[in-house]
Amino acid sequence: QLVLTQSPSASASLGTSVKLTCTLSSGHSSYAIAWHQQQPEKGPRYLMKLNSDGKYIKGDGIPDRFSGSSSGAERYLTISSLQSEDEADYYCQTWGTGPNWVFGGGTKLTVL
Amino acid sequence: EVQLLESGGGLVQPGESLRLSCAASGFTFASYAMSWVRQAPGRGLEWVSTISDTGGGTHYADSVKGRFTISRDSSKNTLYLQMNTLRADDTAVYYCGRTEGYCSGGSCSVGGGWFDPWGQGTLVTVSS
Repeated sequence: QLVLTQSPSASASLGTSVKLTCTLSSGHSSYAIAWHQQQPEKGPRYLMKLNSDGKYIKGDGIPDRFSGSSSGAERYLTISSLQSEDEADYYCQTWGTGPNWVFGGGTKLTVL
Repeated sequence: EVQLLESGGGLVQPGESLRLSCAASGFTFASYAMSWVRQAPGRGLEWVSTISDTGGGTHYADSVKGRFTISRDSSKNTLYLQMNTLRADDTAVYYCGRTEGYCSGGSCSVGGGWFDPWGQGTLVTVSS
């Protein structure tokens, strides 16, 4: 079964970097994912599509501070030079052979 | 500018029906698959349904299969979600999303399917 696992919460200080993790279930380590950001009281915003080889394609207007990387079944979102507006929920999402579409549970990022 | 604007949400009683709409602009609507995703209060995102670019293929989450119907009218650049036999656990904000990488020229494959962009959402509350 295709499952994405995310830590429920993360925190980092203003101006520093944070790396969020999304883990694909066993047997699905080659899957690409997408990262989405949801700021408080807003709809989600697409950040990037991230492949298993670590290559990523960002959405329009996404700052250079956002980057992605991959290792095995892990997919990462790194945000550098953290700003207050980066405080948000971050969701990973992928697509399976149902076809079906799957979201991780989300990580709530707190900027200290 | 690519925009998606949902409408049609509201308060309904259990067992009733509701139809959501998503008006698309700024892109060639007929060239993209489209999806509905929902978010229950205080919860994460849940995929609900996807329709192919031509409308010939539809897919549903198990939680809504048999109760919800997705459709599209490319002459009106509008996506719909007909929701029947609504239950309390259908209470959520419903978002539409252009579904990138899934369909191209009428051919769809599982090589893609990310949502970009998203609408602002419409709230559906099911309560007696």
